[in-house]
Amino acid sequence: NAGVTQTPKFRVLKTGQSMTLLCAQDMNHEYMYWYRQDPGMGLRLIHYSVGEGTTAKGEVPDGYNVSRLKKQNFLLGLESAAPSQTSVYFCASSLTPWEQYFGPGTRLTVT
Amino acid sequence: AQSVTQLGSHVSVSEGALVLLRCNYSSSVPPYLFWYVQYPNQGLQLLLKYTSAATLVKGINGFEAEFKKSETSFHLTKPSAHMSDAAEYFCAVSVMTGNQFYFGTGTSLTVIP
Repeated sequence: NAGVTQTPKFRVLKTGQSMTLLCAQDMNHEYMYWYRQDPGMGLRLIHYSVGEGTTAKGEVPDGYNVSRLKKQNFLLGLESAAPSQTSVYFCASSLTPWEQYFGPGTRLTVT
Repeated sequence: AQSVTQLGSHVSVSEGALVLLRCNYSSSVPPYLFWYVQYPNQGLQLLLKYTSAATLVKGINGFEAEFKKSETSFHLTKPSAHMSDAAEYFCAVSVMTGNQFYFGTGTSLTVIP
C-alpha cells in the first residue's frame, strides 16, 4: 500500500511554462484535494474532487486547472506558470471529508 | 464561514515540560476539528479529531485536545515533551455539510534538551 504519491518531487519552471502535477492514491478514496503551502499561511485548498469525473474550486483556484478522469488519480495543471505559484503543493485523499491522508509534497519554483 | 486561528507561530518547550498549542475556531454551524503534525519535508499526518462525540479527544503520540464550545477553542496538549515532538502543528476545521478543510497558519514546536 503506497498511500498517496505525488510526481514529481521537485520542479523548476520558467515564467509562462506549463506543467502537470500527478497525484495517485491506492486506497479507493472518493475524495481528493490539492493544497498549496506557503510560509506563514498554512495550507490553502486549490481544488478538490468528490468522485471520479467531478471537480470543484477551493479557496485559491485561479491559475490552476484539475482533472479526475480516473478515481485513483487527480491531476493539477498550471497553464502559464507565474512566480506567485512558487510553493509546496500537497495532494490529499480521504474516504470521508474529515480524515485526509497527505502525500509527501511537490516543491515547485517558478523563476 | 469557517476559520481557524492558531496563537503563536513558534513555541519552545523544554524536554519533559508540558506542551500547549492553542487553536480557536469560528464556525456558524457545529464544527469538526482536527490537529495535524508535519515533520520536516513530509506531508501532514492526522494527530486527532473531534467529530461531536467526547469533548476530550486522545490522539497518537500522547497528544490530546479538548473541545470547549463556550471558548470556541480546541487546544492541543501533551504532558511531557519529547525531542521527537519537534514539528509543525496545524489545526483545521470542517463542517459536516461541507467538503472543505480550513487550516490554521501553523505552530512550529521546538523542544529544548
